[in-house]
Amino acid sequence: DTAVSQTPKYLVTQMGNDKSIKCEQNLGHDTMYWYKQDSKKFLKIMFSYNNKELIINETVPNRFSPKSPDKAHLNLHINSLELGDSAVYFCASSPSAALSTDTQYFGPGTRLTVL
Amino acid sequence: GESVGLHLPTLSVQEGDNSIINCAYSNSASDYFIWYKQESGKGPQFIIDIRSNMDKRQGQRVTVLLNKTVKHLSLQIAATQPGDSAVYFCAENEDSWGKLQFGAGTQVVVTP
Repeated sequence: DTAVSQTPKYLVTQMGNDKSIKCEQNLGHDTMYWYKQDSKKFLKIMFSYNNKELIINETVPNRFSPKSPDKAHLNLHINSLELGDSAVYFCASSPSAALSTDTQYFGPGTRLTVL
Repeated sequence: GESVGLHLPTLSVQEGDNSIINCAYSNSASDYFIWYKQESGKGPQFIIDIRSNMDKRQGQRVTVLLNKTVKHLSLQIAATQPGDSAVYFCAENEDSWGKLQFGAGTQVVVTP
């Protein structure tokens, strides 16, 4: 069974469009994250939610809006897509953000290409 | 700002040899460090971790060494296998809310 799943795996869209990426974890974890990996493989955290509450919000354009309907889901909606948004987006989860040593488990990624 | 790791280098290793992957970090306040393995087309996968009150930790075929004096972290892979070919990332936990700062990664290529 997949622990952290993301849909879609690939997303190709035009500049200016709005798109969403979905993430689900079946591990019973309290905390979920979104990371962006650029073309040079650099991974950077974007957001983190703990029990549906936003706890980490890095310097991300407000075109990006995460939404957590319940603690097993964390979706990422992106408005007015730009060329620079092209990247691989990873969702991750961990048992509890309150424990800084909890392992984060990553999903398979969503490759977003903006044309 | 502070950063972890190096620009993405490539380490070419012969099958059966030992691999050593290095990582420099600059945030002296970090107290927890992790190594992740990322295979092509997949998400990062946890390999091993170490807390700042330790200087060495061993797993199955992997050993992590932490030198806080020079802010250096290394991952040693014993008897490297073709399945070890991947990009390896070090990461540090910068705060109590799970914020991971990743290094740039090292591409390991295992040759027969």
